Amino acid sequence: AQKVTQAQTEISVVEKEDVTLDCVYETRDTTYYLFWYKQPPSGELVFLIRRNSFDEQNEISGRYSWNFQKSTSSFNFTITASQVVDSAVYFCALSGLSFQKLVFGTGTRLLVSP
Amino acid sequence: ETGVTQTPRHLVMGMTNKKSLKCEQHLGHNAMYWYKQSAKKPLELMFVYSLEERVENNSVPSRFSPECPNSSHLFLHLHTLQPEDSALYLCASSQETRGDTQYFGPGTRLTVL
Repeated sequence: AQKVTQAQTEISVVEKEDVTLDCVYETRDTTYYLFWYKQPPSGELVFLIRRNSFDEQNEISGRYSWNFQKSTSSFNFTITASQVVDSAVYFCALSGLSFQKLVFGTGTRLLVSP
Repeated sequence: ETGVTQTPRHLVMGMTNKKSLKCEQHLGHNAMYWYKQSAKKPLELMFVYSLEERVENNSVPSRFSPECPNSSHLFLHLHTLQPEDSALYLCASSQETRGDTQYFGPGTRLTVL
């Protein structure tokens, strides 16, 4: 079975702090894909990144970076120098070739205060 | 219009009403999805359509009836809903169903009185 665990329910930081959101996954597929989505208060899920299971290179996009480690089945997301606009719920998700859906974690609510 | 659009954005209905939610994707994708997001509950996948055929139904009550007339449009017909059906209903689309990125619409906030 596929499963995504986001153990951090809510994180509060002060602007300019760095913050890491944890994601641990379970799957028996050898080919799978990991995603992060952001859900601001407006409600829309905004796609941030998709990584496949064969590419373990870390990725950086501006203030965002992702650390994929197959050995620990983790795909963590770090925001550097957080800003108030980063306040949102962040979801990690898993998809594979053997199942026709995204499996979502329960989300981590990030609150960045000025 | 670009991406995935949903109408209406907000809907209030009584338990005896019949209403429909509409989703349209402008991305040329082949698969479309309905999700339900309730307060303090994880995202629940309701239905998956691939090339206009329903390929997954996650034990959704019959008071929710999906319709996919073509690969760009998806409807969710609602009738005799319960107050616990109040939630954010999200539509998404992707090129394929297995492993592809899903792009989401802004959602319809539904309140059942």
